[in-house]
Parts: sequence; structure tokens; C-alpha cells
Amino acid sequence: QSLLSQPPSASGTPGQRVTISCYGSSSNIGSNPVSWYLQLPGTAPKLLIYSNTQRPSGVPDRFAGSESGTSASLAISGLQSEDEADYYCAAWDDGLNAWVFGGGTKLTVL
Amino acid sequence: QITLKESGPTLVKPTQTLTLTCTFSGFSLSTSGVGVGWFRQPPGKALEWLALIYWDDDKNYSPSLKSRLTLIKDTSKNQVVLTMTNMDPVDSATYYCAHSETSSGYYPGYWYFGLWGRGTLVTVSS
Repeated sequence: QSLLSQPPSASGTPGQRVTISCYGSSSNIGSNPVSWYLQLPGTAPKLLIYSNTQRPSGVPDRFAGSESGTSASLAISGLQSEDEADYYCAAWDDGLNAWVFGGGTKLTVL
Repeated sequence: QITLKESGPTLVKPTQTLTLTCTFSGFSLSTSGVGVGWFRQPPGKALEWLALIYWDDDKNYSPSLKSRLTLIKDTSKNQVVLTMTNMDPVDSATYYCAHSETSSGYYPGYWYFGLWGRGTLVTVSS
């Protein structure tokens, strides 16, 4: 059971905007920045968002992160077929003294 | 350009010790604000953080695995070695290492994992 909770699946059609949520607690998302990772099938994770809202160089601005209280969200606008992947949120947990990940959300582009 | 590559055995027997090496380039683990993290992912399951070693040789370990994990860095070789003792079939997974840096200060919560190796699949079976 992951300390960060994500919906197992999400879907959208090309061009749509999709939001993936990540629910935590005061000891993780409520206290520390969230990062988001994308994992295409059979490949290593890739950093999409760090510090709740920051995009690394090379990540398109179609990807946007937000945070409010003990939850965070990843919004993907202008959905493309290549966005079909697993998405994970992560944060440091002050109680565990550990990084915790969400269970992942599988995004399907219909 | 930062790259990382994991190496080690693909098959280990139960109770054996797993030793994985992360060989990296494009950064130095003696530079302030840099770290290397380890993760694993059982087939079809979520990512799990294992450990992180910082430039100053400080370390964080997953509480649930702390007694079994050891991290060592060799700055001259640009390598980080992870050992995990008493391997069990449930430890079968793809193991990844990743470059880590901080967005603001040195508290662990500010660190993130920007670039990952391709991973190495480890199977635990007799």
C-alpha cells in the first residue's frame, strides 16, 4: 500500500487535457515538494516535474504540476499518443525519513 | 551530458548478497548538492526508493530495508555500489540508479531524481 495515492488509470483523447491526482498526508506532500515521473513501457522513469511546479529543461509546457495542502496534481494538456505511459508522484516523508512513491497511474490515449 | 548505468548479476540465489554498481559520467559525486539514488520496480508494480548517497557521504536508507542495504561511493571511479543482503524472491525487480540534486537547500525533501539509468533486472531464484 503506497503512502501516496494515485488513481490506477486515466484516459483521454488526443488534444484533450487530463489531470492525474496524488493524495498524501501532512508528513509528505503537506510538508515537502512533489516530483512527477513518466515511465514509458519498458523504459526507465523520466523526471517531468520537481518542486511541485518546475519543469526540467526539455519537458514541454504541456505538462504542469500543482500542489494544494496534502495533494498534488499533474495536468497534461494537448494530449498526444506518445503521452501514453505510467505516471508516478513522489515526495519525502518526514515521518518515515524516506521517499515515497504513488502507486502509479496508467494513462491511455484513446 | 549525464549518464548512469547499472551493472551486476541478473540472477542471485535466495539468502545471497546482491551487489550492484552504478557507473556514471557527466557529474562528480564530490560536488556539493549532488547525490545518487537507488530504486527498484518489481515487474508490473510501482517504483520503490531504496537509498540515496550524498556528495558528503551522508546516506539515507529505506527504513524497511535499512538493515540489509549498504551504499559506498568511489569518487575516483565515478561509481556507487549498492549491496543488499539476504536476497529473497520478492526482491526480484529491475533496479535503477539515478542522479539526484537539490532544488533548494540540503534537507532531503528538496532533492529530486533528474536522470536515471536504464535499469538492470535482477531475479532471485534457486
